[in-house]
Amino acid sequence: GAVVSQHPSRVICKSGTSVKIECRSLDFQATTMFWYRQFPKQSLMLMATSNEGSKATYEQGVEKDKFLINHASLTLSTLTVTSAHPEDSSFYICSASPGLGYEQYFGPGTRLTVT
Amino acid sequence: QKEVEQDPGPLSVPEGAIVSLNCTYSNSAFQYFMWYRQYSRKGPELLMYTYSSGNKEDGRFTAQVDKSSKYISLFIRDSQPSDSATYLCAGGLGGATNKLIFGTGTLLAVQP
Repeated sequence: GAVVSQHPSRVICKSGTSVKIECRSLDFQATTMFWYRQFPKQSLMLMATSNEGSKATYEQGVEKDKFLINHASLTLSTLTVTSAHPEDSSFYICSASPGLGYEQYFGPGTRLTVT
Repeated sequence: QKEVEQDPGPLSVPEGAIVSLNCTYSNSAFQYFMWYRQYSRKGPELLMYTYSSGNKEDGRFTAQVDKSSKYISLFIRDSQPSDSATYLCAGGLGGATNKLIFGTGTLLAVQP
């Protein structure tokens, strides 16, 4: 149980284009989903928290107009990187939580490369 | 000061050894703690979570929390080469945010 998927697993895009990453909880309803960014050999940095049907809460320093998050249902959240630049290249990981029961289950991650 | 401090390693041990992974934290608001295992280029996998001081055991893994000294540990008994991964500790804030604050992770290599 507690399986979270992400799609795509890796994507290469040109500078200036937008990329959408999907995060799905496959066997449970996720009232809260989180989006993280991870640079090589560094820890997970929380970008934003989203609750189903509500606007996402972004961490300090994260541009909400650049990283658009939509949590349309209890099993799906999307992250859209708009007008991507090479510095946006990173490993993006989502997690989902069934509620205030604390556990977060992570997806396999999406490797984004902006050329 | 980082809210969660963790030695990045790498830590290299022979197969069968007992592994001790440790973190310290500074945020007294943490209500729970978690240990995740992350293989290279994969998402983190939840190993253990604890809500209070003391020990929690699950198979070869034991999580230990000492809130008085703000110290958390993960012990791995009879370590295997398949345990080679990065181990991340995290403190949870609970409440409405349910946020996790992660350490930098410790890279473990178990040598056959």
